[in-house]
Amino acid sequence: ETGVTQTPRHLVMGMTNKKSLKCEQHLGHNAMYWYKQSAKKPLELMFVYSLEERVENNSVPSRFSPECPNSSHLFLHLHTLQPEDSALYLCASSPELDRAFYGYTFGSGTRLTVV
Amino acid sequence: GQNIDQPTEMTATEGAIVQINCTYQTSGFNGLFWYQQHAGEAPTFLSYNVLDGLEEKGRFSSFLSRSKGYSYLLLKELQMKDSASYLCAVRDSNYQLIWGAGTKLIIKP
Repeated sequence: ETGVTQTPRHLVMGMTNKKSLKCEQHLGHNAMYWYKQSAKKPLELMFVYSLEERVENNSVPSRFSPECPNSSHLFLHLHTLQPEDSALYLCASSPELDRAFYGYTFGSGTRLTVV
Repeated sequence: GQNIDQPTEMTATEGAIVQINCTYQTSGFNGLFWYQQHAGEAPTFLSYNVLDGLEEKGRFSSFLSRSKGYSYLLLKELQMKDSASYLCAVRDSNYQLIWGAGTKLIIKP
């Protein structure tokens, strides 16, 4: 148990489906992040939330929609995805947005396959 | 642009020593991280360097040279459980984490 829990662990969805990924942390952290991890590529930062407010959106397609209802929960809503969106989606948290001297705590990820 | 380079894959023998290199070109520098990620699992924090020199933590050590834009992770007395991917990341002047693609380390008996 890493302190950051992601569900589901695996998801297969069609291109016309709508699904949501969930992330939960009870570490008392104020910042939460969504990352995309594709094989042999660097982690791609998608969204950053600090105290429930979005502070970063790295040109992510609108078919990905984040939601942060409180400081412990983060969602990624998915709709009309493309096969190239298949990847491991990682959630992470840190005590503060900046000066996270000890880095991030990651969840185990959701392995997404778009068919 | 900002860039982190590390070898794609390395192979080493159980009980031996392996050094995984990381070179970076970033807009500013506010620390370098190493993470370990076993297949299908979360990346876990290994080390953080912000000043030049060697940081030792048990079997793992991490070295930083800011003037050379270079770091390495040294793993001693390798065990089979050390088979994993090792991710290098640099925090730039905007406190953004810039990630390398990771080095897959294969340990053979």
